[in-house]
Amino acid sequence: DAGITQSPRHKVTETGTPVTLRCHQTENHRYMYWYRQDPGHGLRLIHYSYGVKDTDKGEVSDGYSVSRSKTEDFLLTLESATSSQTSVYFCASSNRENTEAFFGQGTRLTVV
Amino acid sequence: GQQLNQSPQSMFIQEGEDVSMNCTSSSIFNTWLWYKQDPGEGPVLLIALYKAGELTSNGRLTAQFGITRKDSFLNISASIPSDVGIYFCAGRTNAGGTSYGKLTFGQGTILTVHP
Repeated sequence: DAGITQSPRHKVTETGTPVTLRCHQTENHRYMYWYRQDPGHGLRLIHYSYGVKDTDKGEVSDGYSVSRSKTEDFLLTLESATSSQTSVYFCASSNRENTEAFFGQGTRLTVV
Repeated sequence: GQQLNQSPQSMFIQEGEDVSMNCTSSSIFNTWLWYKQDPGEGPVLLIALYKAGELTSNGRLTAQFGITRKDSFLNISASIPSDVGIYFCAGRTNAGGTSYGKLTFGQGTILTVHP
């Protein structure tokens, strides 16, 4: 399995506070992704990166920003957390060359 | 945006039974993937399908890429208790460029296996 870790694994935060989730991969994968998982919706793409400093929006990007300053790290920031952002967040990485995305173990975020 | 309709939403079966689930879409996909998620874990890839009509097996699992490229199914034969989990289909519209890996997921099928 790809070495991909997320931190923290669990977080409770208050409405209006900024939150940053970290994804770290040791596979030198070019592509990295942030998804959120909610009941009845499967996984939905928030943002993705196709290289260092190269990022783009997914289908549910409002309220989120990302940064990728190194190949191995992809950060997801909630600028001002809202209760609707309570979810389980998954990071994934892949290479274009015939590999599909490997997922991290997820971060459960609760906004109170 | 694109949507995948996955069914059934949940299944309760006895150990040893066969299982079938499917995904349909109004859009064409060039790749279909099937993932399994165990509680507290991230999804793990089970089978990847890259050609319309392709039929691929992985142990007791068999998946097919529909001819129209708008559907896919997953079969599990002779289910065992460790098959319990959530199964997701996922589709990708193209395999190149900066959008590689952008997946559209179905809602998931929750599988429960009674011993």
